[in-house]
Amino acid sequence: KQEVTQIPAALSVPEGENLVLNCSFTDSAIYNLQWFRQDPGKGLTSLLLIQSSQREQTSGRLNASLDKSSGRSTLYIAASQPGDSATYLCAVSGSNYKLTFGKGTLLTVNP
Amino acid sequence: ETGVTQTPRHLVMGMTNKKSLKCEQHLGHNAMYWYKQSAKKPLELMFVYNFKEQTENNSVPSRFSPECPNSSHLFLHLHTLQPEDSALYLCASSYGQGGKETQYFGPGTRLLVL
Repeated sequence: KQEVTQIPAALSVPEGENLVLNCSFTDSAIYNLQWFRQDPGKGLTSLLLIQSSQREQTSGRLNASLDKSSGRSTLYIAASQPGDSATYLCAVSGSNYKLTFGKGTLLTVNP
Repeated sequence: ETGVTQTPRHLVMGMTNKKSLKCEQHLGHNAMYWYKQSAKKPLELMFVYNFKEQTENNSVPSRFSPECPNSSHLFLHLHTLQPEDSALYLCASSYGQGGKETQYFGPGTRLLVL
């Protein structure tokens, strides 16, 4: 059974700092990995999707990497802003359509 | 409206009540999903529909009854719920149910069972 772990569970940083969020998964037979953002009381917004054949994806200040063989992914956020404060969720998809989620990392960026 | 919408946004119900959650997607997708998000637990997939046909029931208790009349609408009928069913219920949709497609999520319904 696939399990996804996210470390740290919570992170507080000053504005402008670069930061890294970590995600690990137990079964490397994945189809893709996605990073989502969830604002309090709201749904999820997809940030980046990395196919299993890819090593990384970039969108603006966000960069996500994937090391499938070791079961790890990182989300790098450059020059963090208060508006980046949210919960960041990692999810992996197997050969079927099921997404397995981690519990998330609660990020607070202080002005 | 665009994207995925859910109504109501908040719901309080007693254990003997019957209520329904509604989800509508305006993205032309053919697959729709119900997820449950409980405090301090990962999102849990509940049901999957593809072209109106249920393709997944993730061992969900029968007090939760899904309905998908067409590819744009998804309902979750609730009856005789338990307090531990209190959670955020999220609907999502995607092109195809294959794992390569991004799922788009609605804002969720916050349910409290008393």
